[in-house]
Amino acid sequence: GAGVSQSPSNKVTEKGKDVELRCDPISGHTALYWYRQRLGQGLEFLIYFQGNSAPDKSGLPSDRFSAERTGESVSTLTIQRTQQEDSAVYLCASSPHGSLTDTQYFGPGTRLTVL
Amino acid sequence: ELKVEQNPLFLSMQEGKNYTIYCNYSTTSDRLYWYRQDPGKSLESLFVLLSNGAVKQEGRLMASLDTKARLSTLHITAAVHDLSATYFCAVQVWYGGATNKLIFGTGTLLAVQP
Repeated sequence: GAGVSQSPSNKVTEKGKDVELRCDPISGHTALYWYRQRLGQGLEFLIYFQGNSAPDKSGLPSDRFSAERTGESVSTLTIQRTQQEDSAVYLCASSPHGSLTDTQYFGPGTRLTVL
Repeated sequence: ELKVEQNPLFLSMQEGKNYTIYCNYSTTSDRLYWYRQDPGKSLESLFVLLSNGAVKQEGRLMASLDTKARLSTLHITAAVHDLSATYFCAVQVWYGGATNKLIFGTGTLLAVQP
């Protein structure tokens, strides 16, 4: 079946502009996660959605970052007034239930470059 | 704050040789993942280790978990060029329904030379 998809695959923007990144999870997966991977580094957790529960936003680095999810489907990560330090690959993952026994399946990522 | 440390960060090895990547973490967790990432690609799940003493093997890779030592190892046997990639370990943290997230190590870049 289809895996996690993300769009765009690449995004180049100017400093100060807003960007929106999209994630389509695997159909039926109730849990969705956003991570950020800076060049040469591991992944940093950003935000976690589980069903209709309030999202865990504890990883968002500043109030310029926000994310929404429509039901148990598409999610968008929005970065306002982008800065050069926002340049990274943004990875989305989904899992069936968000439980301790789940495995997270990752999308291909969106590479964001802020000039 | 939970920390996950991997070493080495970079590993250059010859084909046919054996080596081990180490993953240490700073808090209790009963679930540890190993992922592989090829350049420009997303993460591919390799192993999920669920309990103390768990050992899993796939081809030339074998992963183990010691929850008491808070240590996981990824052992490479008779390396081949196709294994060249970055390998991440990740520890799952769970706060009773509030959060289910992975804390990743820094990654080990493996380069297998012919």
